[in-house]
Amino acid sequence: QKEVEQDPGPLSVPEGAIVSLNCTYSNSAFQYFMWYRQYSRKGPELLMYTYSSGNKEDGRFTAQVDKSSKYISLFIRDSQPSDSATYLCAMSGSTGNQFYFGTGTSLTVIP
Amino acid sequence: DAGVIQSPRHEVTEMGQEVTLRCKPISGHDYLFWYRQTMMRGLELLIYFNNNVPIDDSGMPEDRFSAKMPNASFSTLKIQPSEPRDSAVYFCASSLDWTLNEKLFFGSGTQLSVL
Repeated sequence: QKEVEQDPGPLSVPEGAIVSLNCTYSNSAFQYFMWYRQYSRKGPELLMYTYSSGNKEDGRFTAQVDKSSKYISLFIRDSQPSDSATYLCAMSGSTGNQFYFGTGTSLTVIP
Repeated sequence: DAGVIQSPRHEVTEMGQEVTLRCKPISGHDYLFWYRQTMMRGLELLIYFNNNVPIDDSGMPEDRFSAKMPNASFSTLKIQPSEPRDSAVYFCASSLDWTLNEKLFFGSGTQLSVL
């Protein structure tokens, strides 16, 4: 079983829609949870991170972590065509430990 | 700062040839990472360095892969001999301090195709 599972999509939504992206994981030691955005032919860039459980909001983006279910989500409100990218979740057990990445979900927001 | 710089952007080679990928990390960053990305396996950590010293190379798939960091501003990933299954996008990333482990900056990657 992979450490991190992520539905590859592709996901296609109309502009203005609410998008929900999800990852599940198996290692209960994970405490740091991150979302990266990757545009075509570019490297991933950090979008948001959270520590342990709970929610974190940044503008149109909300990250949620449910450690009891080993499930994390990224919500995008009022989605824009510029949000079209691949979104990767990543997680780590503690500082100094390697990240485990999901395979990414491809999102297209249609104008 | 220009960010993490990788070269070449694209590399097409024939099976059996040696391939060298290059990376210039962000100045002042003490950690450098090499990742490989494929559709099937996603992003996989190959090796990382701290202050130019290799710390963990357990992700390097085979002895055909080697990485060096001769100084703080340059690293190479070499594949010799290359095989078609090595075809992937190879990313270099750097960070200031892994206690701030979310602050990982990636380069634009090298698209490697081995025919």
